[in-house]
Amino acid sequence: DAGVTQSPTHLIKTRGQHVTLRCSPISGHKSVSWYQQVLGQGPQFIFQYYEKEERGRGNFPDRFSARQFPNYSSELNVNALLLGDSALYLCASSLDLAGGPLQYFGAGTRLSVL
Amino acid sequence: AQSVTQLGSHVSVSEGALVLLRCNYSSSVPPYLFWYVQYPNQGLQLLLKYTTGATLVKGINGFEAEFKKSETSFHLTKPSAHMSDAAEYFCAVGKGGSQGNLIFGKGTKLSVKP
Repeated sequence: DAGVTQSPTHLIKTRGQHVTLRCSPISGHKSVSWYQQVLGQGPQFIFQYYEKEERGRGNFPDRFSARQFPNYSSELNVNALLLGDSALYLCASSLDLAGGPLQYFGAGTRLSVL
Repeated sequence: AQSVTQLGSHVSVSEGALVLLRCNYSSSVPPYLFWYVQYPNQGLQLLLKYTTGATLVKGINGFEAEFKKSETSFHLTKPSAHMSDAAEYFCAVGKGGSQGNLIFGKGTKLSVKP
């Protein structure tokens, strides 16, 4: 069975540009979460979506947005990129919300902002 | 608010030696606790989890962790280190339910010397 898949794997953008990252959860999983991992730090929670609704949001500016589609895949959008947005962006999927926050992670998208 | 503290950003052991990676948490509710491993340029792989029940949890690759409520700790151990264990290890705490996001520690990089 396929795990969590993310695309693209690497991305280079310049300041002020916009970026869209994509995530497909494990088949049957209905919840998707996004995390930002800056070099040398642990992942930080950005968003959680369940059944296409936002269920949680971390301490990130409004430049960050996301959505979940009927097939449970998800997109993370970041507008007006800053140098500090350079990071590994991780997507995680979970079966539902009832069984606790057991999440399975994808390999991530490494974003470099120049 | 929940938080995770991992003591020691870098731990070095010899091959065959005991591995001990420390994690302390704070949580106002009974926590869900996790250890993840991250190899270079990869996403996070779940090593083990504690939700309820037995406080000694066994995971993959010979790792185990013990939940000690009185000490608010969830230290990760492995009796005998292998070269392939060299990676970064993250401890995480979560609440579950509608607040399914994870709070991660800053990580501990494990080096294994031949």
